[in-house]
Amino acid sequence: DAGITQSPRHKVTETGTPVTLRCHQTENHRYMYWYRQDPGHGLRLIHYSYGVKDTDKGEVSDGYSVSRSKTEDFLLTLESATSSQTSVYFCAISGTSGSNEQFFGPGTRLTVL
Amino acid sequence: GQNIDQPTEMTATEGAIVQINCTYQTSGFNGLFWYQQHAGEAPTFLSYNVLDGLEEKGRFSSFLSRSKGYSYLLLKELQMKDSASYLCAVDGSSNTGKLIFGQGTTLQVKP
Repeated sequence: DAGITQSPRHKVTETGTPVTLRCHQTENHRYMYWYRQDPGHGLRLIHYSYGVKDTDKGEVSDGYSVSRSKTEDFLLTLESATSSQTSVYFCAISGTSGSNEQFFGPGTRLTVL
Repeated sequence: GQNIDQPTEMTATEGAIVQINCTYQTSGFNGLFWYQQHAGEAPTFLSYNVLDGLEEKGRFSSFLSRSKGYSYLLLKELQMKDSASYLCAVDGSSNTGKLIFGQGTTLQVKP
């Protein structure tokens, strides 16, 4: 299994509070991705990174920011959490883009009350 | 727009064969992936198709027709542990790995 972890695994927070989710990899992979998964929507890309300090927006980036200061860590921040951001968040890594599969972390279940 | 369609649910019998279809309309195409996801777990990679035709990997096979915007995942000799969601995803961008996922097909295997 690819060495990818996410923290925390579960979090309950209140509307308006900031939240940071961490994705950590030990594979030295270049590409990292943040997805959210909701019933009826499947997996949707929030942000991705193609190298240290290189990030770009995905399909549902509003309300989220990311940072990647080291190859191994990719942080997802909700500046002011809203109930619509209640979801399961998955991080994924890939050695190269396109033809290589993405390996997914175990996920973080976030509840915003 | 970008769109990927899969049936929401399917039911099959242990030992049988099941085919899960996926149709897509994307602005670009750099490959199609199938992932398996058991309830409460992370998706895991099953197959990748970039050229037309059938890719076989043990009990699982995946087919692609780029001209028709169509793929299917074929599962043979179904086992109870195959009960899971199957996700179709298209890399529609130019080598960024930005995947567009369908909603997934939940397969229930019955004895």
